[in-house]
Amino acid sequence: DIQMTQSPTSLSASVGDRVTITCRASQSITPYLNWYQQKPGKAPKLLIYAASSLQSGVPSRFSGSGSGTHFTLTISSLQREDFATYYCQQSFSMPRTFGLGTKVEI
Amino acid sequence: EEQLVESGGGLVQPGGSLRLSCAASGFTFSYYNMNWVRQAPGKGLEWVSHISSSGSTIYYPDSLRRRFTISRDNAKNSLYLQMDSLTDGDTAVYYCAREPTSKKYYYTMDVWGQGTTVIVSS
Repeated sequence: DIQMTQSPTSLSASVGDRVTITCRASQSITPYLNWYQQKPGKAPKLLIYAASSLQSGVPSRFSGSGSGTHFTLTISSLQREDFATYYCQQSFSMPRTFGLGTKVEI
Repeated sequence: EEQLVESGGGLVQPGGSLRLSCAASGFTFSYYNMNWVRQAPGKGLEWVSHISSSGSTIYYPDSLRRRFTISRDNAKNSLYLQMDSLTDGDTAVYYCAREPTSKKYYYTMDVWGQGTTVIVSS
C-alpha cells in the first residue's frame, strides 16, 4: 500500500497569510495526487486534482504543485472561510490512501 | 444539481449487519465509478470500497474484504454497502463519492454525499 504523510499536523495562521501544506508519498505517484478540504460536520470537498489542476469553482488562491513523491498545497492569502482540515489522497493505485490531515486554524 | 444522498445508518450491536444506500441524482449514474469512504469520530478519512461504472470491478482494502460488500443498481441510480460482523471499530460517518471514469480526471472523487452515521455499540 502507498503511505501518504502530511505535514504539519496542524498550523495556526492569520488572515492574509500564505500557507503551505506538504504531502509525501511512499512511492512515485505522479500525477495522481488530490487535495480535499473538510469543514467540521461537512463532507470533504475536492480542491485540486492531478497535483495541480484546480477543481471548477474553487478560488484561485488555492494551488497545488509537486511530482514524484513530494507535493504541496498552497493557499496564497488565507481567508476566514479556509479554516478547515486538508487531506491529500493518492489515486495512483488501490487501495486508495489518504494523508492524516492538516488542520488549519485561523 | 449533481447530488448524492446516503441513508441506512444507525445504531447496531457488535456482530450485527447494516446496509447503507446512496441515491444519485442530477447526473448519469451509470457513467461513473463509485466509492465508499468512512471517517471515525475525530479521525481522518479512510477509503472503504470501489466499484466500477458497470459493477464488474470491485476493490476493498484487505482489512475489510471479508465483511463488506459493495454493489450498485444502475437502473435505480443507487449504490449500496452491505456491512456484516460489525465491530466498534466500524463506528464512523460513511460517505459515498463519485469518481469519473475518464483517465483525464485522474480517478479523483469529485462529488460527495453528506454522509450517514453508523454507531456500533451494545
